[in-house]
Amino acid sequence: GAGVSQSPSNKVTEKGKDVELRCDPISGHTALYWYRQSLGQGLEFLIYFQGNSAPDKSGLPSDRFSAERTGGSVSTLTIQRTQQEDSAVYLCASRQGLEQYFGPGTRLTVT
Amino acid sequence: KQEVTQIPAALSVPEGENLVLNCSFTDSAIYNLQWFRQDPGKGLTSLLLIQSSQREQTSGRLNASLDKSSGRSTLYIAASQPGDSATYLCAFGGYQKVTFGIGTKLQVIP
Repeated sequence: GAGVSQSPSNKVTEKGKDVELRCDPISGHTALYWYRQSLGQGLEFLIYFQGNSAPDKSGLPSDRFSAERTGGSVSTLTIQRTQQEDSAVYLCASRQGLEQYFGPGTRLTVT
Repeated sequence: KQEVTQIPAALSVPEGENLVLNCSFTDSAIYNLQWFRQDPGKGLTSLLLIQSSQREQTSGRLNASLDKSSGRSTLYIAASQPGDSATYLCAFGGYQKVTFGIGTKLQVIP
């Protein structure tokens, strides 16, 4: 079956613009995670969804970051007023049981 | 707060060699451990998952162990191949939150 998909695969935006990143999890997976991977850094946890609710938003770096999930499926991560330090690869993962399955990521470049 | 350390940061070995990647963690209250590989420009591929009640898991040439008392996990790769070249990450979870190490970049030289 289909794995986790993310779109776009690459996004270049100007500083100050808003961007929206999309994640389509594996069908039936109730848990969904967003991570950020900056160059040479490990994965930084951003937010976790169980169904449509987000019990753990502790990783969102600032109030410019928000995420939502609808219908227990697709999730969007929105970054408002992007800054250069937001440049990174944003990875989404879904989970059913214990194992996480990752999407290919969205590479965001803020110029 | 869970902290995860992976040693070495990079490793270069000749093809055919057996090797061990190390991962250590500070909080023993974990639910599971997962090892991933990441190829350049790609997402993460799950290799092995060990539940907290288990001590090891094996898949083909890969064997992962978990020792909660010492706060360590190892990933053993037997008879390494050039196709094994990638970055290997360990991740410790909680049911909700998962903490990743920075990874070990492995290069297997033909």
